[in-house]
Formats: sequence, C-alpha cells, structure tokens
Amino acid sequence: SAVISQKPSRDICQRGTSLTIQCQVDSQVTMMFWYRQQPGQSLTLIATANQGSEATYESGFVIDKFPISRPNLTFSTLTVSNMSPEDSSIYLCSVAGSGSTDTQYFGPGTRLTVL
Amino acid sequence: GNSVTQMEGPVTLSEEAFLTINCTYTATGYPSLFWYVQYPGEGLQLLLKATKADDKGSNKGFEATYRKETTSFHLEKGSVQVSDSAVYFCALSDDGGFKTIFGAGTRLFVKA
Repeated sequence: SAVISQKPSRDICQRGTSLTIQCQVDSQVTMMFWYRQQPGQSLTLIATANQGSEATYESGFVIDKFPISRPNLTFSTLTVSNMSPEDSSIYLCSVAGSGSTDTQYFGPGTRLTVL
Repeated sequence: GNSVTQMEGPVTLSEEAFLTINCTYTATGYPSLFWYVQYPGEGLQLLLKATKADDKGSNKGFEATYRKETTSFHLEKGSVQVSDSAVYFCALSDDGGFKTIFGAGTRLFVKA
C-alpha cells in the first residue's frame, strides 16, 4: 500500500484568503483524488487529479474555487480559494491501489478552519 | 445513481459486546464493497473488502459478507474493544472501479 503525506495537517485561515494543500505519495500512482469531509459528515469527492492534464471535477465543484495541480505521478496540490466559513472541513488526498485499483489509500487529511 | 446507506450512529457498546453496523447499497453492475475506518484524528484506512457476491471480507476480527440478494454488506465483530472506537464507512466502487461512493459513516463508542 502507498504511504501518503499531506501538508499542512491543519490550519486556521481568514475569510477571503486561499490555502494550498500538498499531497505527496511514496510511489508513482496513476489515480489521485481529493475529497472533502465536512464536520460530522461523509466524504465527498471533489475531483480526480490527472497527471499532465486538467483535473476532472465532480458536480458542484469548480476549478476556480478548487484549482488542482498534478505535476508528476507522486505529487498533487489542492487550493481552496477565496475561503468562507463554509469551507471549514477536512480535506483528504487519496490514491488508487496499484494492484487493486478499486481500493483507495488515504492521506491523514488537512483540517481547515475558516474564520 | 449508485448509493450507500448505513445505519445512523452513534453506536455505544460495552467492551466485549457484539457489533453489527448495517449497510445496504444500490448499484448497477457488480461493484466491489468496502468498509473503511477512521480513528480519531486520522485519515481513512481500508478495513476489509469483498469483490463479488457471497465473498466474505475479514480483518482484525471484523467480518462482512457481500449479499447480492439483499444488497447488503453488514459489518460484524463478535467482541469489541475500546480501541475499536472510530467512525466506520461503508463504500462501493463505481465507474469501473475508479470512483468510490461512501456512506454517511457510523460512529462507534466502546466503553470499558
């Protein structure tokens, strides 16, 4: 299984600012994903980060609000732009397993609080 | 579309009690089914999975059987421990296995 790290682990930000979250994987992976977990709720897929092309966003999420970069097969960033208190969530990076692509491995998450 | 429904929590049990967390799903085709666990302050970890009907996934004393006839994947453990306190998510793979749909999660508290 892949080992995934995220930075920062948590942050408190002011309304109207932006935060970039980094996700690093210890091996090359094809599929990387970004999820949001709002307080007390389940995970919602934001987008699939594609290496060498634009991310694929789920319904309700747009590139202007959540720009994603995927410069190589081990790294991705998610930016939460022009933040509001409603963006307070845990943001999780995940990758699909190399042997079993239907299994996902998750990073520890970034806990974001917007004041 | 595909979806996952699991029992609401929180579930509070005493140590060594029997655990069942119900999970049902709606899906076209034959998805793989999963239970993920999220311990306090951590990300999600795969607990167990089953890829076809009648398969039983098991890990750390937890079990779940893929029941196609009842579209269910209930999680069970015969004797819970305090260290099992966590949030448990039922999930299924979608879109050829590249997209995972999660249930709402069930929080489990185990008292000593």
